[in-house]
Amino acid sequence: EVQLVESGGGLVKPGGSLRLSCAASGFTFSNAWMSWVRQAPGKGLEWVGRIKSKTDDGTTEYAAPVKGRFTISRDDSKNTLYLQMNSLKTEDTAVYYCTTGPYSENYPFDYWGQGTLVTVSS
Amino acid sequence: SYELTHPLSVSVALGQTAKITCGGNNIGSKNVHWYQQKPGQAPVLVIFRDTHRPSGIPERFSGSKSGNTATLTISRAQAGDEADYYCQVWDSSTAWVFGGGTKLTVL
Repeated sequence: EVQLVESGGGLVKPGGSLRLSCAASGFTFSNAWMSWVRQAPGKGLEWVGRIKSKTDDGTTEYAAPVKGRFTISRDDSKNTLYLQMNSLKTEDTAVYYCTTGPYSENYPFDYWGQGTLVTVSS
Repeated sequence: SYELTHPLSVSVALGQTAKITCGGNNIGSKNVHWYQQKPGQAPVLVIFRDTHRPSGIPERFSGSKSGNTATLTISRAQAGDEADYYCQVWDSSTAWVFGGGTKLTVL
């Protein structure tokens, strides 16, 4: 059974930093392309970024609102995905979900974790 | 940037058929995926690539597309189907895009 468990959320001041983790199990993590998707309180879903598997070059892509501030990385030895968030803004307040995929533009976000809440406030 | 449009809400009587639409420019040429999100829970994929159901999703859920509109159809609606439903596509201008979501109410 695929399991994704996010952690690391919390309250942070504007301009601060936070690192989220996503522990994966139930599938071969090293082969997986992984993403982060967020949801502001009472709002819809917004893609944040994606990382390919290292065997597929391990490159990352980011949505415009977070590019240059957020960094996705992975530790395949720990089956863990990370989201390093710097220069946080109040509009980054959201539940952050870790997902498997998409493996290309034709594929969906297959499995989702339960999410971790990040609140950016002074 | 690319946008997907949903009705804010859809209501359906218990046991009847609900249709949730998703509109977007040239959506006919894109792969559309649908997610169900119940209150306080993470989204769940219910339809991928327009018409395909992941394992474990009831046959009551189906997807279709016509012109610039994709549709999620839920047959024999149950109280447990009450949720927000989101469509999603990929577009070269915006990468992965979600619609704003439709709240389904089962009466």
